[in-house]
Amino acid sequence: KNEVEQSPQNLTAQEGEFITINCSYSVGISALHWLQQHPGGGIVSLFMLSSGKKKHGRLIATINIQEKHSSLHITASHPRDSAVYICAVTTNSGGSNYKLTFGKGTLLTVNP
Amino acid sequence: DVKVTQSSRYLVKRTGEKVFLECVQDMDHENMFWYRQDPGLGLRLIYFSYDVKMKEKGDIPEGYSVSREKKERFSLILESASTNQTSMYLCASSPPWYTQYFGPGTRLTVL
Repeated sequence: KNEVEQSPQNLTAQEGEFITINCSYSVGISALHWLQQHPGGGIVSLFMLSSGKKKHGRLIATINIQEKHSSLHITASHPRDSAVYICAVTTNSGGSNYKLTFGKGTLLTVNP
Repeated sequence: DVKVTQSSRYLVKRTGEKVFLECVQDMDHENMFWYRQDPGLGLRLIYFSYDVKMKEKGDIPEGYSVSREKKERFSLILESASTNQTSMYLCASSPPWYTQYFGPGTRLTVL
């Protein structure tokens, strides 16, 4: 069974700080997803990646397949970045290609 | 823009009632999913469907059933609601091997 571990569970930062959230997983995957959930809001997909690095605005996601590890970075953080960030993986161990296994999420609070 | 809608944002039901949660997507996606989200447990898959009338159990299917009679619509049914089914329910859809698009969620309270 694939386990997805995120760290830290909670993170508080000051506006403008560089933020890193980590995700590690235990078996081979076909893709890794980073999702964002604002309080009381729905979930939005930020990135889907299977190798290397992706960038969108102030967000950067990296993945190291050999080390089974991914990071989500936020540069020049802003209070509107406050949300729960969730890592999820699609595994390639037979069966369905559609199912995601989720980490428990990282609650980020950015103070002004 | 992909749109996934859920029939209710908030729902209060009594123990033993039959509950229907409906999800509709407008992008002709093959795959649809039902999750529940609980504090400290994260998102857990209840059921998913990869085609009309096709379904597979997820990680926690007990106490739930689903129906997919049309491609755009995926219903979650609680045959006899219990208090431990109080939760946030999220629907999602996706094409194969692609990211999932989530609905806004239904916060269900069973009294």
